[in-house]
Amino acid sequence: AQSVAQPEDQVNVAEGNPLTVKCTYSVSGNPYLFWYVQYPNRGLQFLLKYITGDNLVNGSYGFEAEFNKSQTSFHLKKPSALVSDSALYFCAVRAPSSNTGKLIFGQGTTLQVKP
Amino acid sequence: GAGVSQSPRYKVAKRGQDVALRCDPISGHVSLFWYQQALGQGPEFLTYFQNEAQLDKSGLPSDRFFAERPEGSVSTLKIQRTQQEDSAVYLCASSHDRGPYNEQFFGPGTRLTVL
Repeated sequence: AQSVAQPEDQVNVAEGNPLTVKCTYSVSGNPYLFWYVQYPNRGLQFLLKYITGDNLVNGSYGFEAEFNKSQTSFHLKKPSALVSDSALYFCAVRAPSSNTGKLIFGQGTTLQVKP
Repeated sequence: GAGVSQSPRYKVAKRGQDVALRCDPISGHVSLFWYQQALGQGPEFLTYFQNEAQLDKSGLPSDRFFAERPEGSVSTLKIQRTQQEDSAVYLCASSHDRGPYNEQFFGPGTRLTVL
């Protein structure tokens, strides 16, 4: 069965420091991986995706993610965190065998960036 | 607007009442998804439409849940005889098609509270 794990409920970083939000997945075949961000009372906003190609993917707002097939991970990173990055982050996977494109989401990680 | 819209944004229902939640996808988007997001959890897939055809309803939790998209644009999620466990945020998402290169765009959600 497909699944996504975000092992940290919350990540705390100081503004200006690098941040990492972890995600691991379990899926048959080569996965399609996504990161979304959710601000309070708003829908999920797409950040970036990995479909194929380079393992390092660049996305919106200076975020990037690294796909590691051997570790089945897709960690979200940013070199220098901003207070405005504080939000709830979701990792999601879609199995290549899926004929509907439905996404399987992790539980979410709250990122708190302190000034 | 150019994004996915949902209405109402908030709905309070007494247990046993029927509710209808509306989703207006991005114009021209073929694929439409409904997800349920319980408090503190990641979104969980409910159902998928390709144009007017409901191709996957495997995530609907019971036969009290029904979705339709009769003209291949606007979609309605109906919940009959609501129960307290139905309380959640219901998210609608659309994408250009079901291909993996097309990310899903999410609406702001409808927060349903069943008393």
